Amino acid sequence: DAGVIQSPRHEVTEMGQEVTLRCKPISGHDYLFWYRQTMMRGLELLIYFNNNVPIDDSGMPEDRFSAKMPNASFSTLKIQPSEPRDSAVYFCASSQLRDFLLQFFGPGTRLTVL
Amino acid sequence: GDSVTQMEGPVTLSEEAFLTINCTYTATGYPSLFWYVQYPGEGLQLLLKATKADDKGSNKGFEATYRKETTSFHLEKGSVQVSDSAVYFCALSPYSSASKIIFGSGTRLSIRP
Repeated sequence: DAGVIQSPRHEVTEMGQEVTLRCKPISGHDYLFWYRQTMMRGLELLIYFNNNVPIDDSGMPEDRFSAKMPNASFSTLKIQPSEPRDSAVYFCASSQLRDFLLQFFGPGTRLTVL
Repeated sequence: GDSVTQMEGPVTLSEEAFLTINCTYTATGYPSLFWYVQYPGEGLQLLLKATKADDKGSNKGFEATYRKETTSFHLEKGSVQVSDSAVYFCALSPYSSASKIIFGSGTRLSIRP
C-alpha cells in the first residue's frame, strides 16, 4: 500500500490567493483527518470525516478554510483567501473503523504564504 | 478541557544513554494514551499506545506505562541510538470523543554519536 498521499509537498503562494491541498487516504480506511502543525500552536486537528461525511469541524480556524471529501479516495482542504498566518505544515491522516485511533499520517504539505 | 503537557526540548543525549521524556495529561474519564514519532521530513507515526490504567505500551525498545494516579505516560528507552533522533509527541484520545486525538507540543530529541 502506498500510504496516505498528499499533494503538493510544498506550496508557496501570495497573500490573497486560493490554495488547495489534496489528500488520498489509504484504501479501505473509513476516517480522514486534516491537521495543521505550527511552531506556536503545535499539531491541531482541523476537521475529520467518517465515510466521507464531516463529523467535527470545530478546529477549522475561520470561514476562509473549507474541506470536502467527494468520495472515499479523495479529500481537499481549501484556503480562500490565504494569509501569511496560514503558513504551516498541513497533514492528512486516515484510519479504519475497527481501530480508528491508529491514524496513518501522510508526509504533509508545507504551505508558505508570502 | 482535555490536554497533554510534555517536557520542552530540545533534548540532546549521547548514543547509548537512557532516555526519559515526561508527559502528563488532563482528562475526564479514562482516555487512551499514545506516543507518536515524527522523523525529519515525514508525517507522524504511532510508536506505542495504552488504553487503560497500568497498561504498558512498548515498541522498538521504547516503553511507557499508563499511570492513572499521577496522570502520566512517560516515554523511556534504555539505550538510544542516533536513528532515534526525531520529534516525539505524547497524545490522548478523550473518553468522551473517541475519534479525536489531542497532541502535546512535541519534544525534539537529538542523539550524538
